[in-house]
Amino acid sequence: EPEVTQTPSHQVTQMGQEVILRCVPISNHLYFYWYRQILGQKVEFLVSFYNNEISEKSEIFDDQFSVERPDGSNFTLKIRSTKLEDSAMYFCASSEYRLNTEAFFGQGTRLTVV
Amino acid sequence: AQKVTQAQTEISVVEKEDVTLDCVYETRDTTYYLFWYKQPPSGELVFLIRRNSFDEQNEISGRYSWNFQKSTSSFNFTITASQVVDSAVYFCALSTSGEKGAQKLVFGQGTRLTINP
Repeated sequence: EPEVTQTPSHQVTQMGQEVILRCVPISNHLYFYWYRQILGQKVEFLVSFYNNEISEKSEIFDDQFSVERPDGSNFTLKIRSTKLEDSAMYFCASSEYRLNTEAFFGQGTRLTVV
Repeated sequence: AQKVTQAQTEISVVEKEDVTLDCVYETRDTTYYLFWYKQPPSGELVFLIRRNSFDEQNEISGRYSWNFQKSTSSFNFTITASQVVDSAVYFCALSTSGEKGAQKLVFGQGTRLTINP
């Protein structure tokens, strides 16, 4: 069964460092997303991406964040200068269409900023 | 604004009991989708069900059933004859069309369900 794959599963980084979280969405999906879950809290939308551009971003997704689809398969989230409060589980998701299909989530990358 | 409320933060039951997880949502959209996701201790989000705003039929899948009531803006989830493996955090989510039509899921706070043997 096709699945969304995220690497790494856990990343520890020092405050101020740049991190890149990687995702391989399901191959025939057109919409890509990043969500964030701070430990013990709800899952929050960060950004959606379609047709090689950002469709929507939340207020969390400030200038420190960027997304890219560098080739036909990968979808990345970059945090330029990490802060302690960026520590969270980051989920990548993809969906085939817009509203009427479910988003399939990857297993998540746990980012710890020390 | 869209909002999902899961008022039950934690539920603990004994195995084989039935348990219902509540979900209330707010939206001004006429077309929307509701979802339930399961997050086991391993951390991934597992899709359970999708329901669109025009389909108020209840759904049953094995021990799981869902009751969608548009009149009360609720989409409740019942597990019958619960098992220890059902222990997880369960999230209700509302899908709305964001700018440029991309889907955007708004999640509730989640309900931590513990099934005790």
